[in-house]
Amino acid sequence: DIQMTQSPSTLSASVGDRVTITCRASQSISSWLAWYQQKPGKAPKLLINKAASLENGVPSRFSGSGSGTEFTLTISSLQPDDFATYYCQQYKSGDTFGQGTKLEIK
Amino acid sequence: QVQLVQSGAEVKKPGASVKVSCKASGDTFTNYVVHWVRQAPGQSLEWMGWISAGNGNTRYSQDFQGRVTITRDTSATTAYMELGSLRSEDTAVYYCAAKDSGGLRGLDYWGQGTLVTVSS
Repeated sequence: DIQMTQSPSTLSASVGDRVTITCRASQSISSWLAWYQQKPGKAPKLLINKAASLENGVPSRFSGSGSGTEFTLTISSLQPDDFATYYCQQYKSGDTFGQGTKLEIK
Repeated sequence: QVQLVQSGAEVKKPGASVKVSCKASGDTFTNYVVHWVRQAPGQSLEWMGWISAGNGNTRYSQDFQGRVTITRDTSATTAYMELGSLRSEDTAVYYCAAKDSGGLRGLDYWGQGTLVTVSS
């Protein structure tokens, strides 16, 4: 099975900050990677597909990059609504999620 | 776009089975692949398996192989996930999620989640 390792597990930041979350795959997954945002008590929301493709309606301050085994999610200027938990997911072979990154207000 | 509505919360005893349903509406059910993902309290998301609503093909996570069965009823536009031999560690919110069967992509549509509590 392909394992996904996300870092950091917790990130403290302020409104307006630029933040980056990293996700590493245990083997190459090409660009078959998605990013999700989840708020407490809610289902995850798909933000980015195929490593870098922003879903319709997702603010442009979100961006994704990477291929192979290393990927990043960047939020260019944090807004109050962005404080949530973020997950990566590979879907090249079966599906596997990362452990999550909780983005907290500093 | 498809909307997914799941069945209500369940309380089960250890060793029992649970069957959760996921009813789709708003688009052609057989155009989608339905996945099941669970989330234990305070934990990450854990993928369990999927079913092609069109042809009924399934794939399961090795972590659940032999304990989980995913089925669908095309006439009812509903997918089902049955998990057997329940133990306390299976207490979690179980989500169904769907994506178009046309290619590899993330999970666009999610149900509201079903809390399954396993307790003696």
